[in-house]
Amino acid sequence: GQSLEQPSEVTAVEGAIVQINCTYQTSGFYGLSWYQQHDGGAPTFLSYNALDGLEETGRFSSFLSRSDSYGYLLLQELQMKDSASYFCAVFSPRRWLTGGGNKLTFGTGTQLKVEL
Amino acid sequence: KAGVTQTPRYLIKTRGQQVTLSCSPISGHRSVSWYQQTPGQGLQFLFEYFSETQRNKGNFPGRFSGRQFSNSRSEMNVSTLELGDSALYLCASSLAGSSYEQYFGPGTRLTVT
Repeated sequence: GQSLEQPSEVTAVEGAIVQINCTYQTSGFYGLSWYQQHDGGAPTFLSYNALDGLEETGRFSSFLSRSDSYGYLLLQELQMKDSASYFCAVFSPRRWLTGGGNKLTFGTGTQLKVEL
Repeated sequence: KAGVTQTPRYLIKTRGQQVTLSCSPISGHRSVSWYQQTPGQGLQFLFEYFSETQRNKGNFPGRFSGRQFSNSRSEMNVSTLELGDSALYLCASSLAGSSYEQYFGPGTRLTVT
């Protein structure tokens, strides 16, 4: 099976840097995705790490270490609008799944609160 | 380009009834996945369709079913509704081979009383 663990809640101040961790247990996967979801909204794609290392997209960066079964999302220059839930998700293509098909398995989610 | 649309947005049903939810993916996206989101369980994968074929299914009872049409639109059906089925049902579409980047619809909020 697959399981991903995240801290349930993180609080930070506006302008700061925050790191949201994701530890996973999976038998095989292609990569790690990150999604943001505001209250009442739909999840939106932020980033994807197919390889180990850091991927940077503006204020957001994501990191993956397969040897440590660990990834994180780094948010810089925090803004109030960044207050949302953040989910990591492993992408498992059909090769590694019985029955075939692609699948995103989501983590438990981290609620980020940005304060003034 | 229009986003993923889901209908209806809100639904109230009674235990024992059945419900059908609809999802129209982004034009050109042939892969459609469905998720159930609840406060306690988070986002849980229901099933994925590609070219009218169910390619993968999550760990949900047989009361949950779905299908995809030739225009990639998808429906999911829940029969014999239970109180625990109350949730936000999200549909997501993606390009073939890029399902790590899924585009979600606004969801259907189902309440079972």
